[in-house]
Amino acid sequence: ELKVEQNPLFLSMQEGKNYTIYCNYSTTSDRLYWYRQDPGKSLESLFVLLSNGAVKQEGRLMASLDTKARLSTLHITAAVHDLSATYFCAVVLTETSGSRLTFGEGTQLTVNP
Amino acid sequence: DGGITQSPKYLFRKEGQNVTLSCEQNLNHDAMYWYRQDPGQGLRLIYYSQIVNDFQKGDIAEGYSVSREKKESFPLTVTSAQKNPTAFYLCASSIGARIQETQYFGPGTRLLVL
Repeated sequence: ELKVEQNPLFLSMQEGKNYTIYCNYSTTSDRLYWYRQDPGKSLESLFVLLSNGAVKQEGRLMASLDTKARLSTLHITAAVHDLSATYFCAVVLTETSGSRLTFGEGTQLTVNP
Repeated sequence: DGGITQSPKYLFRKEGQNVTLSCEQNLNHDAMYWYRQDPGQGLRLIYYSQIVNDFQKGDIAEGYSVSREKKESFPLTVTSAQKNPTAFYLCASSIGARIQETQYFGPGTRLLVL
C-alpha cells in the first residue's frame, strides 16, 4: 500500500519569509503532482514532476523530486498573503488496472502580514 | 469553455435515501475519478474509470456505486449503505489512466445528511 506523508500539516509564516514543505512516499513512483486548494474550493494543479532530479518553478513556488529518497519538496520564497491555501502532493501508483493518484494529507499554509 | 462540471453544489440526504452526484466533462478525456474529502484531510479515491463501460474500485468504494455509459459522464450514487456520507465530493478527469496524466478537478459537491 502506497503511503504519502506531508510535513508539516500546518504552517504559519510571515510575509517575506522562506519555508519548505516536504512530501515523503513509501513505494517506487516516478511521477508526482502538487496541487493547491483554497478554502471551500476545488484543487488546482501546480506542478507535475516526471523524473528524478526534476525541478519546476512558478513565481514564488519551486518543487523538486528525488525518486531515490522518495521525497519531494515545495519551497516557498518570500511568502505573500495570496499563497495562503492548502497544498497537496499526490503520487502516481501504477496497477494492472491502470494508474491512480494517492494524496498526502495536505499542508495548510497561512501567510501573515 | 472546456471543463468539468459537477452538480448540485450542495446536496442534502435523508436517512435511508440514495442520492446521485453528477459529473460531466467536455475535455474529451478518457479517464474519470471520484474522490471524497473530509474536513482537514486529503482526498481518498472512491472509484475510477479508464474507458466507457468500465470502472474500478478505489480505496473507499463501499456504500457507493458508479456508471460510465458515456465518455463525458461519470455519475456517483451514494447509497443508504454509506453510513457517514457527509463530505466534499470531487470529480476529476485526465486524458488517460494507463500513462497517468494530470488530473483536472471539478468544483465539487458538498453532501450533508439531514
